[in-house]
Amino acid sequence: GNSVTQMEGPVTLSEEAFLTINCTYTATGYPSLFWYVQYPGEGLQLLLKATKADDKGSNKGFEATYRKETTSFHLEKGSVQVSDSAVYFCALWETSGSRLTFGEGTQLTVNP
Amino acid sequence: GAGVSQSPRYKVAKRGQDVALRCDPISGHVSLFWYQQALGQGPEFLTYFQNEAQLDKSGLPSDRFFAERPEGSVSTLKIQRTQQEDSAVYLCASRNVGASSYNEQFFGPGTRLTVL
Repeated sequence: GNSVTQMEGPVTLSEEAFLTINCTYTATGYPSLFWYVQYPGEGLQLLLKATKADDKGSNKGFEATYRKETTSFHLEKGSVQVSDSAVYFCALWETSGSRLTFGEGTQLTVNP
Repeated sequence: GAGVSQSPRYKVAKRGQDVALRCDPISGHVSLFWYQQALGQGPEFLTYFQNEAQLDKSGLPSDRFFAERPEGSVSTLKIQRTQQEDSAVYLCASRNVGASSYNEQFFGPGTRLTVL
């Protein structure tokens, strides 16, 4: 079956530090890949997406590139802000399926 | 426009009670999904509707869980004889199946269920 594995958390950074959150996946077909973010007390929000190999998704300074050869979709940001503190979920959707499959989430805390 | 709404936001139940959780999807969205998110975990799929048809219920953990969407809009997730292991946040999401190819799902804020 499909699965998503994220780097173990939590992650604590200082403001303006570089962020990487690793995500790898297992899928039988050709999935679309997503990063969702969950701010405290709020619902899941789509952060960025990529639908095919070598696509780069980007939003709010965050980027992730769909790497089929390494089955990865690592999230990066060059300079984090305190407001980026949240839980980040990597997820995949396989076109033949009816569901999103999520990783376990990574808690990010950015200190001023 | 309005997003996905869920009610109640918080529910405390005694073990053995029945509960009903409501989801109001974005108007016009054809697809509706329920997920269960245990503390510190990612959401896990429960069930999927397209209009009023329940096309996939393979994620429902037991026959105590039942979901319906009788008119193809509002959906209710019912849990009978609640157990402590049912304590979780229940998320609803909707999707306009006619939208772009990336199949974006829009999530509600969730209902936090605590079973004592």
